[in-house]
Amino acid sequence: SYDLTQPPSVSVSPGQTGIITCSGDKLEDKHVCWYQQKPGQSPVVVIYQNTQRPSGIPERFSGSTSGNTATLTIRGTQALDEADYYCQAWDSSIVVFGGGTKLTVL
Amino acid sequence: QVQLVQSGPEMKKPGASVKISCKASGYTFVRYTLHWMRQAPGQSHEWMGWINPGDGNTKYSRKFWGRVTLTRDTSANSVYLELGSLRPEDTAVYYCARAQVPVGIGSPYFDPWGQGTLVTVSS
Repeated sequence: SYDLTQPPSVSVSPGQTGIITCSGDKLEDKHVCWYQQKPGQSPVVVIYQNTQRPSGIPERFSGSTSGNTATLTIRGTQALDEADYYCQAWDSSIVVFGGGTKLTVL
Repeated sequence: QVQLVQSGPEMKKPGASVKISCKASGYTFVRYTLHWMRQAPGQSHEWMGWINPGDGNTKYSRKFWGRVTLTRDTSANSVYLELGSLRPEDTAVYYCARAQVPVGIGSPYFDPWGQGTLVTVSS
């Protein structure tokens, strides 16, 4: 089975840049999405197709890929960005999610 | 606006079955596949399968083969997930989500998601 690996937690100070990584075999050949999920809420897509930001998502969210690693970057992190973040990709028509990263803003 | 509204929480005993509904509104129902995921307490999301509301075609995760059935009712703009032979480890929040296909080359992403349905399996 295909696995996506994320760090369990990332901490960032308000106003600083938060970086969350997602690694997987041959990830550069796939399209990665990122979802934000706050406690008690459903996930919301913040990045799709590696780098695309849906309408309504703040510009401080950006995505990139290099080699086997996809990265979600949050510039000028705000308290309201504190949430769990999940990467997701497709592998042979199967949907795979990373284990999730809890972003703490402190 | 595009919205997916799921049925309410369920409590089931081991060995029973559960059927959850997901009602779509705000778009042409038959034009987008709908996927089901679940999230056990404190865990990540687990993909279960998808259904094409237009023709009823389905694809299931191997993990759930033989236990899960996805159906749709186009007159009700709704899809349904039925999971059988429930066990305590099936306790989770179950989500439906619409697969959105990017313009040009790209893999689908999920937007929006339903509000989730908590299924609790306990004797």
